[in-house]
Amino acid sequence: KAGVTQTPRYLIKTRGQQVTLSCSPISGHRSVSWYQQTPGQGLQFLFEYFSETQRNKGNFPGRFSGRQFSNSRSEMNVSTLELGDSALYLCASSLSQYNSPLHFGNGTRLTVT
Amino acid sequence: GDSVTQMEGPVTLSEEAFLTINCTYTATGYPSLFWYVQYPGEGLQLLLKATKADDKGSNKGFEATYRKETTSFHLEKGSVQVSDSAVYFCALSAQENSGYALNFGKGTSLLVTP
Repeated sequence: KAGVTQTPRYLIKTRGQQVTLSCSPISGHRSVSWYQQTPGQGLQFLFEYFSETQRNKGNFPGRFSGRQFSNSRSEMNVSTLELGDSALYLCASSLSQYNSPLHFGNGTRLTVT
Repeated sequence: GDSVTQMEGPVTLSEEAFLTINCTYTATGYPSLFWYVQYPGEGLQLLLKATKADDKGSNKGFEATYRKETTSFHLEKGSVQVSDSAVYFCALSAQENSGYALNFGKGTSLLVTP
C-alpha cells in the first residue's frame, strides 16, 4: 500500500508570494491533517479535514488555509509569505477514528527568502 | 489546554545501553498517548501507542506504559542500536469539535554510538 505522498519535497519562495502544497493520503484514509515543524516551535497542528470539511483548526493566522477534495487529496495554501513561515510542512492521514494513529508523509521543506 | 513535556536532548548513548526518555502530559479527559520517531530527512512514524490507563505499548523492543497516576508515558528500550538514532516525539490525542489533533512534545534527539 502506498504511503502518504507530499509534493513538492522542496520549495523556495520570496516574501509576499503565496504557495500551495499537495498531499495524497493512504488509500482508504479519509482524514488528512497538516502540521508545521520548526526547530523553535516543534510540531504544531494546522488543520484537519474529513470528507472535504475542515473539522479542526490550530492557532494559525488566516493566511494559512487548506482544502480537501472528494478523493481525499488535500492542499494547503499559504498567502503573503513571511520569513517565519520557513518550515517543514507535514501531512498525515488516518482512518479518522479518535485514537487511530497518523501516517505521515516525508514533508515539504519550504524556505522563504 | 492539553500539553506534553519531554526531556530535552540530545541524548547520547553507547550501543547496547539502556534508554529512557521521559514524557509527562497534562490533559482534560482521557487522551490516547503515542510515541513517534523521525529519522533524518523523513516524516514521523508511529512507534507505539496506548489508549487507556495501564496499557503498555510496545514495538521493535521499545515499551511505554500509560500511567494515569503520574500522568506519564516514558519510553524505554533495554539495549539500543546505532540504527535507533533519531528524534523521538511523545504525543497525546485531543478530540475537539468532532475532529482531533495530536499535541506533540518538543522531541528528544537520540544518538547511539558504536
